[in-house]
Amino acid sequence: VQLLESGGGLVQPGGSLRLSCAASGFTFTTCAMSWVRQAPGKGLEWVSIISASGSPTFYADSVRGRFTISRDNSKDTVFLQMNSLRAEDTAIYYCTKRTVGTNPFDSWGQGTLVTVSS
Amino acid sequence: EIVMTQSPATLSVSPGERATLSCRATQSVSSDLAWYQQKPGQAPRLLIYGASTRATDIPARFSGSGSGTEFTLTISSLQSEDFAVYYCQQYNKWPLTFGGGTRVEIK
Repeated sequence: VQLLESGGGLVQPGGSLRLSCAASGFTFTTCAMSWVRQAPGKGLEWVSIISASGSPTFYADSVRGRFTISRDNSKDTVFLQMNSLRAEDTAIYYCTKRTVGTNPFDSWGQGTLVTVSS
Repeated sequence: EIVMTQSPATLSVSPGERATLSCRATQSVSSDLAWYQQKPGQAPRLLIYGASTRATDIPARFSGSGSGTEFTLTISSLQSEDFAVYYCQQYNKWPLTFGGGTRVEIK
């Protein structure tokens, strides 16, 4: 299993970024995909999840209305569109997978760093 | 939102000794509880799910117990590679929530 995140970087407050996660080594269409973030020196915070088919999706209150998760099952890729970014969104963003059903995150990518600063 | 509280925040243990980490939920999560290990500069790794089932390739010295609101992760004999931060997570109800972590350090 490999989850390879990309798209992180430095962005100004109010700006946008789109993260991608390319998956391989498993049957992508049988897994829900999620993003979990970790602010510098802090703990883990679940951000969003998308079901295997693409619907439904769920969001943490802290990002609802600003972030949008989506997936392309033809390319085994999941995305996180982040708009109206704030300083408190600064974190490493991890892509994770979850087998369909009530299950934990069984694989994690290495993460991509998002820094929101002027 | 279900709040997950881990204790202690830091645990100092000598190699070869037993470590016991606790996780408490503000409401029942049944057995939908996972433990993750995170080493510096690395992504978290799944250790335990379903409160007590070891994930693939996890050594038998790691064990989990509990249900409802009280959970425990036990490392029976700490090895040098076990010094890390451990997080519990409930996946029973939205939003999915993590505990604040327990750092296991060398005594």
